[in-house]
Amino acid sequence: QVQLQESGPGLVKPSETLALTCSVSGGSFSGYSWSWIRLTPGKGLEWLGYIFYSGRTNFSPSLKSRLTISLDTSKNQFSLKLSSVTAADTALYYCARGVRGDDYMDVWGEGTTVTVSS
Amino acid sequence: DIQMTQSPSSLSASVGDTVTLSCRASQTIGSFLNWYQRQPGKAPKLLIYAASSVQTGVPSRFRGSGSGTDFSLIISGLQREDFGTYYCQQSYSTPWTFGEGTKIEIK
Repeated sequence: QVQLQESGPGLVKPSETLALTCSVSGGSFSGYSWSWIRLTPGKGLEWLGYIFYSGRTNFSPSLKSRLTISLDTSKNQFSLKLSSVTAADTALYYCARGVRGDDYMDVWGEGTTVTVSS
Repeated sequence: DIQMTQSPSSLSASVGDTVTLSCRASQTIGSFLNWYQRQPGKAPKLLIYAASSVQTGVPSRFRGSGSGTDFSLIISGLQREDFGTYYCQQSYSTPWTFGEGTKIEIK
C-alpha cells in the first residue's frame, strides 16, 4: 500500500525559499504523476504542479516562475522548492500521486503546514 | 483556467439522510471530474474519479454523476463518519482546479 509523507520546515521567512520533501513508501514512481497541492483559507485547494518519472514537469502558470519540482528515485522522494515566498504562500501543503489517463489523485499525504513570517 | 463552482458551501444533515452536492465547471470537461473528502488531520481521500467511477474501498453509499459542465456527488444514507469538506476537481486540462468545497456537518 502506497503511503506519502510530507516533511519540511514549518516556518519560512519572507523572500526566502520554501523547500518540502514527499517521501514515498510501498510503491514505484514509474507510470504515475507526482503532485504538490496546497490549501489556504483564501483560495481553497490549489494544484501547484507535478512531475513524471521521466522528469517532465507541469506547473501552474501562476507559480511557474517560482516553482521547482524534482524527483530522487534513489531516496524514494520528490521535492518542491518555492522561491521568493510571501505571506500568501502560508498554507497546508500536500503531496499526492496521480493516475495517468483520467488524471485523478488517488493517494495523498496528510499534509504539512508552512507559515511564512519574519 | 477552468473555474469550478460548488454548492452548497455547507450543509447540516442527519444520519441516514441522502445529500446531494453539486459542482459546475466554467466550460465543458467531459467526464474529467473527481471528488475528494477532506477531514482535519487526515490525508484527503479520493471518492469518485471520472465523474462516476467509485474508488476501490469507498462505500457504495457514495455515487457520482454528470458530464460536460454539471456534476453531482450523492451520499445515500449519511453516516457519522462522513463529516468533512468535499471537493470536486477537474482533470480535463492543466492547471487542474478545485471547487471551493462543501462542508458537511452531521447533526
